[in-house]
Amino acid sequence: AQTVTQSQPEMSVQEAETVTLSCTYDTSESDYYLFWYKQPPSRQMILVIRQEAYKQQNATENRFSVNFQKAAKSFSLKISDSQLGDAAMYFCAYRNFGNEKLTFGTGTRLTIIP
Amino acid sequence: GAGVSQSPSNKVTEKGKDVELRCDPISGHTALYWYRQSLGQGLEFLIYFQGNSAPDKSGLPSDRFSAERTGGSVSTLTIQRTQQEDSAVYLCASSAYTGGYGYTFGSGTRLTVV
Repeated sequence: AQTVTQSQPEMSVQEAETVTLSCTYDTSESDYYLFWYKQPPSRQMILVIRQEAYKQQNATENRFSVNFQKAAKSFSLKISDSQLGDAAMYFCAYRNFGNEKLTFGTGTRLTIIP
Repeated sequence: GAGVSQSPSNKVTEKGKDVELRCDPISGHTALYWYRQSLGQGLEFLIYFQGNSAPDKSGLPSDRFSAERTGGSVSTLTIQRTQQEDSAVYLCASSAYTGGYGYTFGSGTRLTVV
């Protein structure tokens, strides 16, 4: 079974600075997808960024980018120019190709310091 | 609708009572998922519906849990004889596609069993 580990329960960053959230996963599969979701106090999970394992290029969405290291099974999220609205729980998630289930990590609570 | 709608937003029930949680997915989305988020934990897969196919119930924790999806649209998650360990946020998501695309989540139902 696949597992996802987020080793940082809490992180904080100064507004406008850069922060990196860590995620590692365990799988024997070669084709899969990785995701970062944001969960604000509203509880709704919002997709931040997605990475296909077969792509070597790291995904980027505006201020959000990932560092995908397939051999190391590492998938970190970098948030640049942090904003107050980035404060939330961030969850890393894994999904096998051809399987509909997402496996989530336990999350990292990100605090933005004004 | 514009998003995934879940009701009620919050539910307090007495131990031993049955509860029904409702999910109204985005119109046209064929895939629907239920997840459970216990306090301080990531999301745990419960059940997945895809079109008219038999649902994947492999994540349901006990036979007290059941779900149905009527007419390929609205879904109801039923918990019978609730226990205190059932207290959690129950999140529903829908997707127009399979194969790696992120879901659209609702804001969940917070269930408290007293």
